[in-house]
Amino acid sequence: GNSVTQMEGPVTLSEEAFLTINCTYTATGYPSLFWYVQYPGEGLQLLLKATKADDKGSNKGFEATYRKETTSFHLEKGSVQVSDSAVYFCALSAANTGGFKTIFGAGTRLFVKA
Amino acid sequence: EAGVAQSPRYKIIEKRQSVAFWCNPISGHATLYWYQQILGQGPKLLIQFQNNGVVDDSQLPKDRFSAERLKGVDSTLKIQPAKLEDSAVYLCASSLDLLAGGAEQYFGPGTRLTVT
Repeated sequence: GNSVTQMEGPVTLSEEAFLTINCTYTATGYPSLFWYVQYPGEGLQLLLKATKADDKGSNKGFEATYRKETTSFHLEKGSVQVSDSAVYFCALSAANTGGFKTIFGAGTRLFVKA
Repeated sequence: EAGVAQSPRYKIIEKRQSVAFWCNPISGHATLYWYQQILGQGPKLLIQFQNNGVVDDSQLPKDRFSAERLKGVDSTLKIQPAKLEDSAVYLCASSLDLLAGGAEQYFGPGTRLTVT
């Protein structure tokens, strides 16, 4: 079946450091890929998405490229800020009976120190 | 635009008791989802509706969980009887159309359930 695997956390970085959170997936067909973020005390919200191979999603300085050959969608940011401290979830949406079904990874907690 | 509303925000019950959660999605969103998020894990889909019809409930423990979406708008999720392992955050989400694979889901704040 379809699945998402992301690197375990927590990840602790100093402000202005480079961030990579790895995400790989298993899916039949051509899923859409997402990164959702959950800030402390808030609900999940979409950070970025890509709907086909080689697409790059970007938002708030974060980027991720849909790599079909490596079945990956790694999240990157060149210079993290304290305000980026949150839990990041990689997810895929794939065709299922009656529509599309979304599967989430376990989440990676990021701590950014000033 | 109002977001997804959920209530209550917190609930503590004893095992074998029953509990119900309510969700009101964003106006005009045809698709509604209920997820269970156990501490340290990602959200797991329990059930998804397209308007007032069930599209997928394959991971819903039907012996104790039930959900309905009357009139294709708000929805309730019920657990009866609750078990200790049901302690989790229950998330409701909505999106414009289930048939769009790249559709963004909008999440409510969740209901944190503790079963003692």
